[in-house]
This record gives sequence, C-alpha cells and structure tokens, in this order.
Amino acid sequence: DSGVTQTPKHLITATGQRVTLRCSPRSGDLSVYWYQQSLDQGLQFLIQYYNGEERAKGNILERFSAQQFPDLHSELNLSSLELGDSALYFCASDDQDRHSYTFGSGTRLTVV
Amino acid sequence: GQNIDQPTEMTATEGAIVQINCTYQTSGFNGLFWYQQHAGEAPTFLSYNVLDGLEEKGRFSSFLSRSKGYSYLLLKELQMKDSASYLCAVRDRGYQKVTFGTGTKLQVIP
Repeated sequence: DSGVTQTPKHLITATGQRVTLRCSPRSGDLSVYWYQQSLDQGLQFLIQYYNGEERAKGNILERFSAQQFPDLHSELNLSSLELGDSALYFCASDDQDRHSYTFGSGTRLTVV
Repeated sequence: GQNIDQPTEMTATEGAIVQINCTYQTSGFNGLFWYQQHAGEAPTFLSYNVLDGLEEKGRFSSFLSRSKGYSYLLLKELQMKDSASYLCAVRDRGYQKVTFGTGTKLQVIP
C-alpha cells in the first residue's frame, strides 16, 4: 500500500456520460497530481493541486475538471465521455523533502 | 516545457547488465526520476538525481549529467521480474510538476 488511495479501481461507462474519480494523498502530503495513461502510452500530466489551489495545468481537456478539498482529497471529473477517454488515470502525491512522487493504484476507465 | 527521449524497447539476458538512456531538454530543472512500471500497475519509484554523478541503490544505479541533459539507469544481475517499462521523468523548477518520457519497455529473456 503506497498510502495514496484511489477509487474506484475500475469504471465502465457509456459515451456521453460523466464520472468522478477520487484520490486521497498520502498523509502529510499537500500536493496532488493527476495523470492519464492510455494503452501503450506514456503518462500525460493533467493537473496539479497544492493545498487546495490549482498549481499547474497540462494537457487537460475542457471536458475534464478537478478540485482539491480542505481535507486534501481530490476529485477528477470527466464529462461528455468519448471512447478515446478510456485509459488508466493515476493520481500521485509528494513530499518534496522525500524527492519522490508516490502513485495510487489507478482507476481503469473504460468507455463503451 | 520539457522534452524527454528514451528508447522504446530493449531486450537483455537474465543475469546480464543493461543501461537505459534518457536525454532531456528543459526550460527549468529540479531533479530527474526513474520509475518502474509493470503493465497495468502504478509506477514505483526507483531513483532521484538532482546533482551530477552516480547514485547506487542495490542492483540499480542512476547517473545524471545536467550539462549534457543526459541520464541513464543501470540494472545489474537482471532477473526475469525486471521485465517492465522504465520511465524517465524530469521535475520543473517552478511548481514542481513532473513530466514523464514515454518509457522504455525492457524484456528480460532466459
């Protein structure tokens, strides 16, 4: 157990629908990062939050949004889903003093 | 932004040594990571370099040259379980986001 918790582990939904992915960072970590990994693709950075504030934005579609709550958990909302959104979605948290990201086990999203 | 290059695939023999190279171009640099990722699983942290030189950790070593924008991961005494993708990643100087390369898929054969 890495200490970063992601739910659900698997999600199957239809095109056009909306889903919410949840991430709880490791205890004491203030940053949450979201990544998308499509089949045989690299990890694509989506968005970063630090202590409730958005810090950096990557290749995140307008149909996607995220937030970080006062208890530091984060949610990634994906709407108007398309087949191409099928992917593994990872969140990671870090303590910069440890110089490492720790990843959650991911949510596998399948859009049918 | 960041641009990270690493070979797509490599094959090596059990018990041998393999070196996986990574080159990067960045507008700001605050450390380079190597991660291991088995198919369908989360990446796991292997190493972190922020200063030039070699960091050794058991069978794994990582080297960094900041002036050349170059790093390598050295795996010794290869085991079958080392078959995985190895991801090179660079951290921004600013807000600390980490950008990943597309990874090198290593196959260890008997």
